[in-house]
Amino acid sequence: GQNIDQPTEMTATEGAIVQINCTYQTSGFNGLFWYQQHAGEAPTFLSYNVLDGLEEKGRFSSFLSRSKGYSYLLLKELQMKDSASYLCAVRGDSGGYNKLIFGAGTRLAVHP
Amino acid sequence: DGGITQSPKYLFRKEGQNVTLSCEQNLNHDAMYWYRQDPGQGLRLIYYSQIVNDFQKGDIAEGYSVSREKKESFPLTVTSAQKNPTAFYLCASSTGESLGEQFFGPGTRLTVL
Repeated sequence: GQNIDQPTEMTATEGAIVQINCTYQTSGFNGLFWYQQHAGEAPTFLSYNVLDGLEEKGRFSSFLSRSKGYSYLLLKELQMKDSASYLCAVRGDSGGYNKLIFGAGTRLAVHP
Repeated sequence: DGGITQSPKYLFRKEGQNVTLSCEQNLNHDAMYWYRQDPGQGLRLIYYSQIVNDFQKGDIAEGYSVSREKKESFPLTVTSAQKNPTAFYLCASSTGESLGEQFFGPGTRLTVL
């Protein structure tokens, strides 16, 4: 079967660093996405990894290890507005079309 | 401004009624998707369309129907056959190439009374 696991909830302090982990087991692998979703709103794209290693984009970084089926999203210098759900999604072997498999999301609460 | 619009944001219907959710995009994307989001679960794919006049069932298509008569539009009908239709529905689009990220609309929250 296909499975994506991420923690349900996390809390962190404003200004700190938080790491959100994602492990996956899928039929094939053609990239991993991280999305941010505020309550009741659309998910917005944060990052994309297809090769092993770290991708850095401002305060956000994402890491991928394909051999371990593992990724993490690193958020630095946390701000209150970072309180949101973070969705990990994998594009598996889907016969050429852009099918994503989503994890349930990690709800991050940032406290002052 | 390019983007994806969904309307309405909130929708209430009585049990047994069909309801159609709108999704329009002006990003010139070939591919469009419908997802359902329930609390504590990941987004689940209902239907997708890679090109005009063609669409395929996703993982949870039962009780839903779609059409793709225009590139810009991909409406979703929630029929009375859908046993548990109350959910948050998200529409997305992408360039259609297998490497493209998906862009999401603001969603429609459907409540069936």
